[in-house]
Amino acid sequence: DTAVSQTPKYLVTQMGNDKSIKCEQNLGHDTMYWYKQDSKKFLKIMFSYNNKELIINETVPNRFSPKSPDKAHLNLHINSLELGDSAVYFCASSQDPGTGREQYFGPGTRLTVT
Amino acid sequence: SQQGEEDPQALSIQEGENATMNCSYKTSINNLQWYRQNSGRGLVHLILIRSNEREKHSGRLRVTLDTSKKSSSLLITASRAADTASYFCATDRSGFQKLVFGTGTRLLVSP
Repeated sequence: DTAVSQTPKYLVTQMGNDKSIKCEQNLGHDTMYWYKQDSKKFLKIMFSYNNKELIINETVPNRFSPKSPDKAHLNLHINSLELGDSAVYFCASSQDPGTGREQYFGPGTRLTVT
Repeated sequence: SQQGEEDPQALSIQEGENATMNCSYKTSINNLQWYRQNSGRGLVHLILIRSNEREKHSGRLRVTLDTSKKSSSLLITASRAADTASYFCATDRSGFQKLVFGTGTRLLVSP
């Protein structure tokens, strides 16, 4: 029944490693997003895909590479992890990218880089 | 720069009291949304108000929007302990296909 799911829920890794976070939505939505929430709870969009095509890339370091194999999945790969990448990463989806659409969020992936 | 600023940053009330949170933003918008985030969870959509609307209700929630002042408020009436969460406003600016979230208000409702 889960609408937007993410794996893993927790990820602890060392600086310099490469890691991936997976996201899946079963809502039939066309648009998916990745957000980063920092320790002060500030939530900022990173990427948005509509029907497997990138539509928003918010000046994110190119160590972050999203991939959308189909419109139900949006994965996030991070190369050469840095301490500052520690945060909670949320995946979300919406029916389409139009304004006025509510977004459905996954439970988040807490990434800790040591 | 960040679109929404919320006030207060934290609010502590007793069950049964009303809670009011405010959101101010900087540029013209199409819509404003409010979301709730329980501790350790993802955000949940509460209500959307369009720029041509002034007030909207959903159950115990009442949202107002004043586009001349670039501000919105969320009122939760007859609060319950289960309302304890962080509340965020989010705006989508005209021409931009993304939501920009505010700083959030942490609400604590004590039994």
